[in-house]
Amino acid sequence: DAGVTQSPTHLIKTRGQHVTLRCSPISGHKSVSWYQQVLGQGPQFIFQYYEKEERGRGNFPDRFSARQFPNYSSELNVNALLLGDSALYLCASSPDANYGYTFGSGTRLTVV
Amino acid sequence: DQQVKQNSPSLSVQEGRISILNCDYTNSMFDYFLWYKKYPAEGPTFLISISSIKDKNEDGRFTVFLNKSAKHLSLHIVPSQPGDSAVYFCAATGVRMDSSYKLIFGSGTRLLVRP
Repeated sequence: DAGVTQSPTHLIKTRGQHVTLRCSPISGHKSVSWYQQVLGQGPQFIFQYYEKEERGRGNFPDRFSARQFPNYSSELNVNALLLGDSALYLCASSPDANYGYTFGSGTRLTVV
Repeated sequence: DQQVKQNSPSLSVQEGRISILNCDYTNSMFDYFLWYKKYPAEGPTFLISISSIKDKNEDGRFTVFLNKSAKHLSLHIVPSQPGDSAVYFCAATGVRMDSSYKLIFGSGTRLLVRP
């Protein structure tokens, strides 16, 4: 079985640019969550989506947005990139909106 | 405001001995706690969890202890193996906090098991 798939694996962007990160959940999983992990810190919650609806949002500015598609895949969008957005972005899926998360390997975003 | 704290950034133990990783939390609304293991270039992998109605949960070499009065939990690995070398994250959550099942993570402890 394929796990949680994230693309791209690595990305370099310039300050002020826009970025879109993609996530395909495990087949049958209806919930997707996004986390940001800055070097030396634990993952920090950004969004949770369940059945295409936002269930929760972390303490992130409006530059961060996300959506979930009918096939349960998800996109995380970040506008007007700042140097501080450089981080590992993790996607996690679960069968329902519960704790049973499986994480993907993440997208390493570097903003220069 | 760090609601979940892992005060030891690193821990080194000899193979075969016990590894004890500690975690403290401040929010009394947390009702479920999880430990994740993370290798470089991989996402966190779920290890073991415990509900706030229990004080111990065991799975093979891994045992998690919860002390609600002290707002403290610990992960015991016995016996430790070199393959256990990774970063361990403590996480907490509580559905009563809001409608999401977000996890609040600590900053992690890097465990090194020496052969």
